[in-house]
Amino acid sequence: EVQLVESGGVLVQPGRSMKLSCAASGFTFSSFPMAWVRQAPTKGLEWVATISTSGGSTYYRDSVKGRFTISRDNAKSTLYLQMDSLRSEDTATYYCTTEDYGSFAYWGQGTLVTVSS
Amino acid sequence: DIVLTQSPALAVSLGQRATISCRASQSVSISRYNLMHWYQQKPGQQPKLLIYRASNLASGIPARFSGSGSGTDFTLTINPVQADDIATYYCQQSRESPHTFGAGTKLELK
Repeated sequence: EVQLVESGGVLVQPGRSMKLSCAASGFTFSSFPMAWVRQAPTKGLEWVATISTSGGSTYYRDSVKGRFTISRDNAKSTLYLQMDSLRSEDTATYYCTTEDYGSFAYWGQGTLVTVSS
Repeated sequence: DIVLTQSPALAVSLGQRATISCRASQSVSISRYNLMHWYQQKPGQQPKLLIYRASNLASGIPARFSGSGSGTDFTLTINPVQADDIATYYCQQSRESPHTFGAGTKLELK
């Protein structure tokens, strides 16, 4: 059974940093591109970033480019999202997902990031 | 960015057909691939992939769900609607980066 378990979401002040993790199991992690998708409270879904199978290629939405870094450790079957210079508009539940030819097949349960002073 | 437009809500009766539409601001098709996907999300839960590339049923999804369309106009059909299908449905395109989602259609009981 595919499992994606996010962790690391907390309350943080604007301008600070945090790192999210996603532990994967039940599939060959190194064979799938991975992504982060977020959802602000009571709002819709928003793609954040994608990383290739090897980690050699990364893609970001403009609003997080230069502030967020997606990475992966295939030996540990873990996906990461380093978030710097956080803003109030980054407040959301962050989901870890597999990406298969552009669709997001498997999702974690999400971790809530709240950016507030 | 490609904008996806969905109606905010749709009211249906149990056992009837529900048709949810999604219109893209530009074509999301490349050759024979229609790069539109559909998700279901229930309150407090993560989204679930229903349909990928416009018309392919995702693993474990009941056959009462189906998808169609090409270019800029796509449809998710649920027939017949069951009580468990009451949720919000999102379309998503992967034709261009950034991948974008529609604002969601909330399926409600009539």
